[in-house]
Amino acid sequence: AQSVTQLDSQVPVFEEAPVELRCNYSSSVSVYLFWYVQYPNQGLQLLLKYLSGSTLVKGINGFEAEFNKSQTSFHLRKPSVHISDTAEYFCAVSETGANNLFFGTGTRLTVIP
Amino acid sequence: NAGVTQTPKFQVLKTGQSMTLQCAQDMNHEYMSWYRQDPGMGLRLIHYSVGAGITDQGEVPNGYNVSRSTTEDFPLRLLSAAPSQTSVYFCASSYGRNFYEQYFGPGTRLTVT
Repeated sequence: AQSVTQLDSQVPVFEEAPVELRCNYSSSVSVYLFWYVQYPNQGLQLLLKYLSGSTLVKGINGFEAEFNKSQTSFHLRKPSVHISDTAEYFCAVSETGANNLFFGTGTRLTVIP
Repeated sequence: NAGVTQTPKFQVLKTGQSMTLQCAQDMNHEYMSWYRQDPGMGLRLIHYSVGAGITDQGEVPNGYNVSRSTTEDFPLRLLSAAPSQTSVYFCASSYGRNFYEQYFGPGTRLTVT
């Protein structure tokens, strides 16, 4: 069975500092991996996705993530955060051919001025 | 395009009452789904549909019914509300088999007393 672990429930970081949000998954088959962002009082929107090919994936708003198959990880990074990046970030996994997504419990990123 | 719309935004029910959460999309998406979001638990899939007339259960289907009579609409029915169903409910849709590139509605915050 597939599952997703987001190790940090809250990450405070100063403005213009780098950030990494960690995500590990477990699955016995090939997977697709995703990061979604949820701004306060809004629905989720897709930040980036890994389906195949290059393990370094670039998304919107300057975020990127790297798929590491040996470590079953898909960590999200940004070299310099802005106040507007304050939001909750969800990692999600889907086994190839499956019909649904499994979400992690989320990481709340707070950018401090 | 309005995207994915959900009504109502807020609802308070008494235990045992029934109600329907509405979801509509105007993007001609085949895939639609319902999630509930609870603190510390991320999003969990309730039901999903891969097209009009086809629905299936997700991770937490008990206490909920769905139907898909048109491509646009995917209502979620609570048969007999319980306090455990207090949650934020999100509807999402995606085009064809790209179910993972989901577009989310703004959510419905439901409280059951």
